[in-house]
Amino acid sequence: DAKTTQPNSMESNEEEPVHLPCNHSTISGTDYIHWYRQLPSQGPEYVIHGLTSNVNNRMASLAIAEDRKSSTLILHRATLRDAAVYYCILREGPYGGSQGNLIFGKGTKLSVKP
Amino acid sequence: DAGITQSPRHKVTETGTPVTLRCHQTENHRYMYWYRQDPGHGLRLIHYSYGVKDTDKGEVSDGYSVSRSKTEDFLLTLESATSSQTSVYFCAISGAGPANTQYFGPGTRLTVL
Repeated sequence: DAKTTQPNSMESNEEEPVHLPCNHSTISGTDYIHWYRQLPSQGPEYVIHGLTSNVNNRMASLAIAEDRKSSTLILHRATLRDAAVYYCILREGPYGGSQGNLIFGKGTKLSVKP
Repeated sequence: DAGITQSPRHKVTETGTPVTLRCHQTENHRYMYWYRQDPGHGLRLIHYSYGVKDTDKGEVSDGYSVSRSKTEDFLLTLESATSSQTSVYFCAISGAGPANTQYFGPGTRLTVL
């Protein structure tokens, strides 16, 4: 399974942008890049995903490097509610892997200071 | 929010007793998953289902069984609970394909004494 590498932790100030990096140097051409986050005492929550092009939604933006070996999740204005563990996950194409499950690493714990 | 619920939300049981956790969805998604989350391990796949009566093992399936008799329900059974199965259990649902999102339930915290 393709693996990702993320920093263990990051800090941000409230209302400032946050850039969460992820390296995935062994990504294959059909792998999708997904980001999930997990708030304390909750289940993981979908944030965003992409294949090749940058993506935006109401929660965040995803910037994908041209060679697809890295990506960055961008939270445009961090709030206290964004404090969570953020997971960068590759989903294998064409069927999301033989099992279709997500393979979670340890993620990046984001702290947001008021 | 995706319609996915888990029951019970909390359970304390004793070693050797059977335990069944239920996952219920209202989204008609084909795939359903059971994960467990332990400190230092992240989420790990226990079993998954790709259709009614179609299930298969995941990474940490020993000591667990599952059943799916209806699209909306996926049951996880610990035939004889052990202390090593103390964990938080999450159910997830998904459509097919790598572009599909997985939606997670709120989790069940199980303590085996």
